[in-house]
This record gives sequence, structure tokens and C-alpha cells, in this order.
Amino acid sequence: DAGVIQSPRHEVTEMGQEVTLRCKPISGHDYLFWYRQTMMRGLELLIYFNNNVPIDDSGMPEDRFSAKMPNASFSTLKIQPSEPRDSAVYFCASGHILQEPNYGYTFGSGTRLTVV
Amino acid sequence: EDQVTQSPEALRLQEGESSSLNCSYTVSGLRGLFWYRQDPGKGPEFLFTLYSAGEEKEKERLKATLTKKESFLHITAPKPEDSATYLCAASSGQNFVFGPGTRLSVLP
Repeated sequence: DAGVIQSPRHEVTEMGQEVTLRCKPISGHDYLFWYRQTMMRGLELLIYFNNNVPIDDSGMPEDRFSAKMPNASFSTLKIQPSEPRDSAVYFCASGHILQEPNYGYTFGSGTRLTVV
Repeated sequence: EDQVTQSPEALRLQEGESSSLNCSYTVSGLRGLFWYRQDPGKGPEFLFTLYSAGEEKEKERLKATLTKKESFLHITAPKPEDSATYLCAASSGQNFVFGPGTRLSVLP
């Protein structure tokens, strides 16, 4: 398995532009998470899905952020309009839970977003 | 509110010098305590899951232990390739709350 695949690896955009980050989870995993990592705040959960349905989006900072999971093999995180304070590394993670969280989720390599 | 803290923030060791990293958690109804390793420019890599106080798990030079309020990651005779940031996370459900991490440097 190729693991969790994120694209692009790096994104530089101007303030006010729309940014779309993409994630392909591991096949068979029924949970998908979007995290944001900064030096100041560490790893923060933004939103997670179970069987393509958003379960908890309380970590999404503002209405400028939206996430979708149209099918089991693809998810997007969109920021519109982007602002410099959105600069961070965004990680996607996926996992398969039977009855208990019996192992850690698998993370992608992340997208480093810079908004200038 | 669930919280996870880690200490020290950074640790420098000589190769072969054993030490421990600390993770303190406040989670109502802990369902799992997780340790991850993160290398620069990469996503966190899963190491261990611990479920109940007294549990221990080992992998090569690493051993993780769990009490009711803390977890320790013991590193025995570390090598330079063990240099990384070590993150712990606590789960009361499907969500993980991550600590800020300990940045470990092992000098040859």
C-alpha cells in the first residue's frame, strides 16, 4: 500500500486566493482526519469523517475552511479566502476502527502551505 | 477539556545515554494513549498504543509505559538515528489530543 497520499506537497499562494488540499486515504480505512501543525499550536484536529460523513468539525477555525469527502478514496480541504495566518503544515490521516481505537492512525506526508 | 503535556521540550543525549520522555494527560475516559515519532518534513509515524495503567510495550530501544496520569517513553542506549520529535496523544474516543512533543537529539 502506498500509504496516505497528500497533494500538493508544497503550496505558496497569495492572500485572498482559494487553496485546495487533497488527500487519498489508505484503502479500507473508514476514518479520515485533517490536522494542522504549527510551531505555536502543535497538531490540531480540524475535522474528521467516518464512512465519508463529517462527524466533528469543531476544530475548523472559521467559515473560510471547508472539507469534503465525496467518496471513500478522496477528501479535500479548502480555504477560501486564504490568509497569512493559515500558513502551516496540513496533515491528513486515516484509520480503521473495529470496536476500539486499537492502533494509531496513519498520517500522510503533509502539505506545507504558505500564504503571502 | 482534554489536555496533553510533554516534557522536556527538548533533550540532547550522547549516543548510548539512556533517558525518559514524559507525557502527562488529563482525559475523561481514556481509551488509548499513543506515541508517535515525527522526522523533519514528514508526518507522524505510529509507535505504540497503551490502554491501561501498568501496560508496557517495547520496540527496539524504545519502551513505553502507562500510569493513570502519565506515560513515559524510555530510550535505552540511543543512537543518532533516534533523533526526532516524539509526540504523545490521548484518546477518549475517535479523536486524538496531541501533546506539543519532545525534540530529541542524539549526538554521536
